[in-house]
Amino acid sequence: DAGVTQSPTHLIKTRGQQVTLRCSPKSGHDTVSWYQQALGQGPQFIFQYYEEEERQRGNFPDRFSGHQFPNYSSELNVNALLLGDSALYLCASSPSGAFEQYFGPGTRLTVT
Amino acid sequence: TQLLEQSPQFLSIQEGENLTVYCNSSSVFSSLQWYRQEPGEGPVLLVTVVTGGEVKKLKRLTFQFGDARKDSSLHITAAQPGDTGLYLCARDTGRRALTFGSGTRLQVQP
Repeated sequence: DAGVTQSPTHLIKTRGQQVTLRCSPKSGHDTVSWYQQALGQGPQFIFQYYEEEERQRGNFPDRFSGHQFPNYSSELNVNALLLGDSALYLCASSPSGAFEQYFGPGTRLTVT
Repeated sequence: TQLLEQSPQFLSIQEGENLTVYCNSSSVFSSLQWYRQEPGEGPVLLVTVVTGGEVKKLKRLTFQFGDARKDSSLHITAAQPGDTGLYLCARDTGRRALTFGSGTRLQVQP
C-alpha cells in the first residue's frame, strides 16, 4: 500500500510565476491537508479538502488555492509567487473520522 | 493564536546520553501529538497524548502530558544516531488542522 505521494520533488520558479503541486493520498483516505514549512520552522496549515470542497483554511492569502478530485487526490496552486513562498510544501491525508494524519515527503519550492 | 513553544531549539549530544525536549503553551489543549521529521521527508506521528498526567512509552522514548494539559515533554533514553531528526509537537485546532511548534532539532553523534 503506497503512502502519501507528492510531485514534483523539487521545483524552481521565478517571482510572479504560478505553480501547481500535486498530492495523492494514502489509499482509503478522503481528507487532504496542505502545510507550508519554511526552513527551520514547523509546518503551517494552509487548508484542508474534504468531499472536493475546502473545509477550513489557515492564515494564507487568496494567492493560495486548491482543488480536490473525485479520486481524493489534490492540487495546491500558488499564484504571483513571492520569494517568501520558498518552502517545503507538505500534503497530509487522513480517513474520515480518524485522528492521525499521514504526511508525504513534500515538494521543495524555490522562488528566485 | 495559541502558540506552541518548543525548547531547546537545537540539541547535539553523544550516543548513549539521555535528553528531554519540551513543548509548552499558555492555553489548555485537549490533546497533543509528537512527530519526528527526518531530512527530505514529511513528519511521522510518534504518539498522541490526551489525558492530563498521561505517560506513554515507545521503546526508548517516554512522552508525558502535563497535569494541566498545557505542556508536554519527550524524554529519550540512551540516544542513538538513528534518533537524529526534528521533533515537532502539534495540537489539533479542529477537524485535524494541526498547529505545530517550531521544533527541536536533535543531532546524536556516534
